[in-house]
Parts: sequence; C-alpha cells; structure tokens
Amino acid sequence: SHDLTQPPSVSVSPGRTATITCSADQLEFRTAAWYQQRPGQSPVLVIFQDTKRPSGIPERFSGSNSENTATLTISGTQAMDEADYYCQAWDSSSAKVVFGGGTKLTVL
Amino acid sequence: QVQLVQSGSELKKPGASVKVSCKASGYTFTDNALNWVRQAPGQGLEWMGWINTNSGTPTYAQGFTGRFVFSLDTSVSTAYLHISSLKTEDTAFYYCARERGRKPWFDPWGQGTLVAVSS
Repeated sequence: SHDLTQPPSVSVSPGRTATITCSADQLEFRTAAWYQQRPGQSPVLVIFQDTKRPSGIPERFSGSNSENTATLTISGTQAMDEADYYCQAWDSSSAKVVFGGGTKLTVL
Repeated sequence: QVQLVQSGSELKKPGASVKVSCKASGYTFTDNALNWVRQAPGQGLEWMGWINTNSGTPTYAQGFTGRFVFSLDTSVSTAYLHISSLKTEDTAFYYCARERGRKPWFDPWGQGTLVAVSS
C-alpha cells in the first residue's frame, strides 16, 4: 500500500488537458512533488513545492495542492508526455518520504 | 551540469552481496543529502532512506534495516548502497537521488542500477 493515493491510469487525447490527482490526509500541509518516468528511464522532477516548475520543464506542466489533494495538470498534452507519474511528499510526523502508487498517462 | 552516475547492472545469486555506487558531479557533494529509492519490475517507487553527506549518518526506512547499508567516500563524491544476503525479491532497479529542500524533493536522479538476483 502507499501513503499517497493516485489513480492507476489516466487517458487523454492529444492537445487536451490531463489531470492527475494525489490524495492523503493533511497533504495540504506537506507540499508535494511530481516525477515523470518514461519507459526505461529514471524519474525526472516536473513539479516541486506544490506549484514550482524546474528549469527545462515545459510550461504546460503545472501543480496545485488544496484540501488533501495535490494535482498535476498537463495542458495541451503531447504524445511525448505519455509516461508514469508519481507524487511524493515528506511526512514530518514519521520523518519519512512517501510516494504515490503512480499513474500511467496514456495519450491517445 | 548536476549529474549522478550509477554503476552498471549486476546479476547475483541468492545469498551473495552487491555494492551499487552513485557518483555525483556538478555540485558540492556535501551540500545535499542523497537518498536511495527502489523500484521492483513493473512496480512503483519505494523510498529506502537517505544518508547525510556531511556526517555520513544513514537513516533507513522501514523494511530496509539490517541487510542494507548506505556509505560514502566524499573524496570521490560517491555514495554506495551495499545489500547483503541477497534474496530473489531484491531484484529491482535501485536509484540514488539528490535531496533538495526542507520538505524534500529529489533532483536529479541517477540512471538506475538493475540488481537481478537469480539462482
């Protein structure tokens, strides 16, 4: 089991908006990060501190966090965005890093 | 650029040991903690713990105590993961990742090292 809950899969048509959620108790107090993992590659940070985008990550990636749910939004989704996405947070009460179970994004 | 380069794939028999290395470049090694993450085939990410690159003090997540040891060689900016008494269920990709922030996130990640355990 995972401390953070994500939908196993999300499908989106090219050019449309994809939304991936990540939920847990008191998540709004923890700040979330998101990682993209393409097949056969290592994870890449796409969002940190809920809403910030690292340099080099396209503007179509955005994040939000409120009321126990963090959300990764991909606007104008492209075929190259097809990947697994993982949310991650720091649980200060137990001093441990927690990951969501991952969401497979299919662009079709 | 900031980079973490890991050692190559390993094929081991049950009961053997393995040591995975993670060499950092492009930043001051002792400025950031390093974390280890496991990913079994077809599965999600599992946090193993982290090592303080200043003091060398490791912290292990539940399920990764005893057979798993994190260590450093700061003279070559390298972290190590040693796994002893390997089991078939240890078969996985092992990633190192640089820790950032107080409520940490990870950037970048190493390319991953596949440890396959089979008789």
